[in-house]
Amino acid sequence: QVNLVQSGAEVKKPGASVKVSCKASGYIFSAYGISWVRQARGQGLEWMGWISPYNRNTNYAQKFQDRVTMTADTSTNTAYMEVRSLRSDDTGVYYCARDSINGEIDYWGQGTLVTVSS
Amino acid sequence: DIVMTQTPLSLSVTPGQPASISCRSSQSLLQSDGKTYIYWYLQKSGQPPQLLIYEVSKRFSGVPDRFSGSGSGTDFTLKISRVEAEDVGIFYCMQNIQLPPTFGGGTKVEIK
Repeated sequence: QVNLVQSGAEVKKPGASVKVSCKASGYIFSAYGISWVRQARGQGLEWMGWISPYNRNTNYAQKFQDRVTMTADTSTNTAYMEVRSLRSDDTGVYYCARDSINGEIDYWGQGTLVTVSS
Repeated sequence: DIVMTQTPLSLSVTPGQPASISCRSSQSLLQSDGKTYIYWYLQKSGQPPQLLIYEVSKRFSGVPDRFSGSGSGTDFTLKISRVEAEDVGIFYCMQNIQLPPTFGGGTKVEIK
């Protein structure tokens, strides 16, 4: 069965960076993209960007383009997202999710809580 | 970006009764390939979203048939034929016809 397991919660100071991992299993990792979606506390869902593990192509939401880097390692079936220059309003739960070529974002990781606080 | 507007914001439903959620997009979600790129998710408390419906009306694997989707162009509806206690949570619509994918603001469903 498809499973996406994310790294644990992080607490960071403003200005720091955080790197979240997402280990995939149960499917051919390179055959699907990975999207990252953020959810601020008590708020809705915000798409941050996408990576193709097959060719490492990425597409970032304009809002995050300058501060986010997404990577993927096909040898370990793991995707990563790094967010730099963290601010307090970056606090929230970050999800990775499998992104089918057909358009559906179908399976989601359990989420990683990132808290940015001085 | 395409704006997705959901109504109502919240819904209180008696178990066994139907429920309906609307989603309107700021642009048509019908692609030249004939597909309409709208999706419905349910996020239960403390959990990630789970895909219910894709391409307007197709139920994702394992989704009960009490969930159905309909609509076209810019107006879409998710219906629950008979609400059960396990359906409590926040429902989101999402478009993926154009980057970035965008979500509706969510509809919170609770049980009376």
